[in-house]
Amino acid sequence: ETTLTQSPAFMSATPGDKVNISCKASQDIDDDMNWYQQKPGEAAIFIIQEATTLVPGIPPRFSGSGYGTDFTLTINNIESEDAAYYFCLQHDNFPLTFGGGTKVEIK
Amino acid sequence: QVQLVESGGGVVQPGRSLRLSCAASGFTFSSYGMHWVRQAPGKGLEWVAVIWYDGSNKYYADSVKGRFTISRDNSKNTLYLQMNSLRAEDTAVYYCARDKGPLDVWGKGTTVTVSS
Repeated sequence: ETTLTQSPAFMSATPGDKVNISCKASQDIDDDMNWYQQKPGEAAIFIIQEATTLVPGIPPRFSGSGYGTDFTLTINNIESEDAAYYFCLQHDNFPLTFGGGTKVEIK
Repeated sequence: QVQLVESGGGVVQPGRSLRLSCAASGFTFSSYGMHWVRQAPGKGLEWVAVIWYDGSNKYYADSVKGRFTISRDNSKNTLYLQMNSLRAEDTAVYYCARDKGPLDVWGKGTTVTVSS
């Protein structure tokens, strides 16, 4: 089973900041990494697929990078509407596994 | 638009059963595999099970194998999760998700609480 270690668990940002969220895999997963955004009471939104590909309709301030075991979700010029819970998912092997999540607060 | 709506959650005693449903709309349900994922209070997400588009294959997390059964009715555009022998540690919000990407579309979840 692939363990995903996501950090930080919580972060507070100011509008306009650049935010980085890390997800480290316990083994090589190529680029089989997705990122999601979830707000309380709402369905999760798919934002990055295959580690670096922005899902259509997602603002370009979101980007993903990484390959193998180290991955990063970056939010440039963060906006108040980006306050949410973010999590990573590896789909290289079963069982699918998730990072522990990051709660992003906007000051 | 593409939508998944879970239902069937509630409060149930340990050892009892519960069946969750996930109603799909806005896409050709019979063309996609489907997943169940859960999130216990204060914990991260845990993948539970997946079923192939035609129901021919099913896979489960070790934590639910032998107790939970995933199924689907393509004529009703509905996914199910039959949960038997429920335990306190099964308490969670349960989400269904479409297998494209994978997990490109999610529902809002339904809450299951296992408590005496």
